[in-house]
Amino acid sequence: EPEVTQTPSHQVTQMGQEVILRCVPISNHLYFYWYRQILGQKVEFLVSFYNNEISEKSEIFDDQFSVERPDGSNFTLKIRSTKLEDSAMYFCASSERGPQPQHFGDGTRLSIL
Amino acid sequence: AQSVAQPEDQVNVAEGNPLTVKCTYSVSGNPYLFWYVQYPNRGLQFLLKYITGDNLVKGSYGFEAEFNKSQTSFHLKKPSALVSDSALYFCAVRAALSGSARQLTFGSGTQLTVLP
Repeated sequence: EPEVTQTPSHQVTQMGQEVILRCVPISNHLYFYWYRQILGQKVEFLVSFYNNEISEKSEIFDDQFSVERPDGSNFTLKIRSTKLEDSAMYFCASSERGPQPQHFGDGTRLSIL
Repeated sequence: AQSVAQPEDQVNVAEGNPLTVKCTYSVSGNPYLFWYVQYPNRGLQFLLKYITGDNLVKGSYGFEAEFNKSQTSFHLKKPSALVSDSALYFCAVRAALSGSARQLTFGSGTQLTVLP
């Protein structure tokens, strides 16, 4: 069964540095998403991406964040000037057209020191 | 705004007994509803969805869920629990007529523990 894959599984970064989290969505999916889960808290929506542009974003997704689909397979989340409170599990997801479920990767655990 | 409530942080059930994990939602218009399961150090795994039609939907691993529009609920059920069902369960919602908006809103999760 096709899967969403995320790399790295764990990223440790100094505060103020930039990080790029990478995702390979399921190949025939058209919609791509990033969510995050701070330890002990809810899974929160960050951004969705369709047809090479952002289709919606949450209040969390401010100028510190950006997304890109640099080629036909990868989908990346860039976080600039990382802060301690950016420490979380970041999940990538993808879905087909229509009311189909989103399929999630195993996540990248981001630790900001 | 859409929201999901999972009123129980923890549910314990004996193996072989039926289980229920509760979920209520709030959304404008008709909902699309989903259940996901999360095992330790893994992502969210899709279990089942309600889009339209029969109020009782069946999903993976013997799980089912009942949509109740009047009570705005979508409780997850299984007739006979297994120890391997022990995991964190999330209910999620999005509005059916939301145009390009597909973001899911998740509940806070319910830790299910099935005791041998």
